[in-house]
Amino acid sequence: QITLKESGPTLVKPTHTLTLTCSFSGFSLRTGGVGVGWIRQPPGKALEWLALIYGNDDERYSPSLKNRLTITKDTSKNQVVLTMTNMDAVDTGTYYCAHSRDVVEVFDSWGQGTPVSVSS
Amino acid sequence: DIVMTQSPDSLAVSLGERATINCKSSQSVFYSSNNKNYLSWYQQKPGQPPKLLIYWASTRESGVPDRFSGSGSGTDFTLTISSLQAEDVAVYYCQQHWTWTFGQGTKVEIK
Repeated sequence: QITLKESGPTLVKPTHTLTLTCSFSGFSLRTGGVGVGWIRQPPGKALEWLALIYGNDDERYSPSLKNRLTITKDTSKNQVVLTMTNMDAVDTGTYYCAHSRDVVEVFDSWGQGTPVSVSS
Repeated sequence: DIVMTQSPDSLAVSLGERATINCKSSQSVFYSSNNKNYLSWYQQKPGQPPKLLIYWASTRESGVPDRFSGSGSGTDFTLTISSLQAEDVAVYYCQQHWTWTFGQGTKVEIK
């Protein structure tokens, strides 16, 4: 059974850097085409894909946010970390991590999400 | 980047009736290398993460009721709920799973 859980600060100041951790179990991110992605959702708005890292260390980023994002993995801890620099109020929302299925590359298992508010 | 546009933004359907949601991509998501359309559908209920329903445009995820079906190819796709149940009230998102952009969502309610 695949499970994922997001953790990180609930409040971040403008211009600061957000660091979120996704802790997962039930699969390995050591090799191959399996991946973990990050998706966010502003309050009452649509889903927005942010980044994805594969077991083979390949990384993908949303073109509109590429300059602000870094995704890394720690296979020994079964964790994926997302950092987002220069936070702004428009970055407020719920941040989800999700398992990306090999070959198909859909998000078939999701964490419950973690809320992030950007305010001084 | 590929832009996904859904229609309508919301719809109200009577219990037992058909619900149809459309999704259009700004460029084709059909890849001839494997003959697949990289289009998926998700269901999101209030306070919950999204749930995968359909991928490759028409492949139903394991455990998803067969009243949910997907169709289409290239740039135009449809999610159909053949007989709306109360538990289907949710927001539905299409996503192209080549570079992962989502549509803006369609809210389905009971009439």
